[in-house]
Amino acid sequence: DAKTTQPPSMDCAEGRAANLPCNHSTISGNEYVYWYRQIHSQGPQYIIHGLKNNETNEMASLIITEDRKSSTLILPHATLRDTAVYYCIVREGSWGKLQFGAGTQVVVTP
Amino acid sequence: SAVISQKPSRDICQRGTSLTIQCQVDSQVTMMFWYRQQPGQSLTLIATANQGSEATYESGFVIDKFPISRPNLTFSTLTVSNMSPEDSSIYLCSVILLLRPTDTQYFGPGTRLTVL
Repeated sequence: DAKTTQPPSMDCAEGRAANLPCNHSTISGNEYVYWYRQIHSQGPQYIIHGLKNNETNEMASLIITEDRKSSTLILPHATLRDTAVYYCIVREGSWGKLQFGAGTQVVVTP
Repeated sequence: SAVISQKPSRDICQRGTSLTIQCQVDSQVTMMFWYRQQPGQSLTLIATANQGSEATYESGFVIDKFPISRPNLTFSTLTVSNMSPEDSSIYLCSVILLLRPTDTQYFGPGTRLTVL
């Protein structure tokens, strides 16, 4: 069973920041939070991951709460090409299997 | 990152037949996985392909239906046996790279299978 809860859908205006929430209240100490996205008909694409510190890369920022029970993926300036299903996944260590939940369908509109 | 290719990219098959899907990676990998994505659904892990030994299957998936081979560090096959329309899905190969084991899993483009 997926260990995360995400809203089923979100709309976002082009050029604005998109904040995608994820709840993972049962996360354990050695589990990482990973984010992937899947653009229609393509394989999932890695976005970012973190353990307890906030992380940033060229695609997004990941904010993890201090108790690690929830996190937020931030796309700083959403574009139409960011329209996709976004998956928040809790993964054991660096070798654990990725188990996908239902994800959030994000639609970026002009 | 890694370049992952899958063959075929898509196929239409008749009920009762079998299809073998190939996954080739341009870098050595430690772990390879096979996923299924049924229409309108999320991804479901089928199995972990182990080099030189039998694959490790997830609950609900069995070797007779989804035999998997992994003869070396860069190649794996998944066979969908005795197909029925319920097997119509996208099948995806995923890998963890040998030289970057703490890194993420990368996914192939998928094989879109339709069973009539």
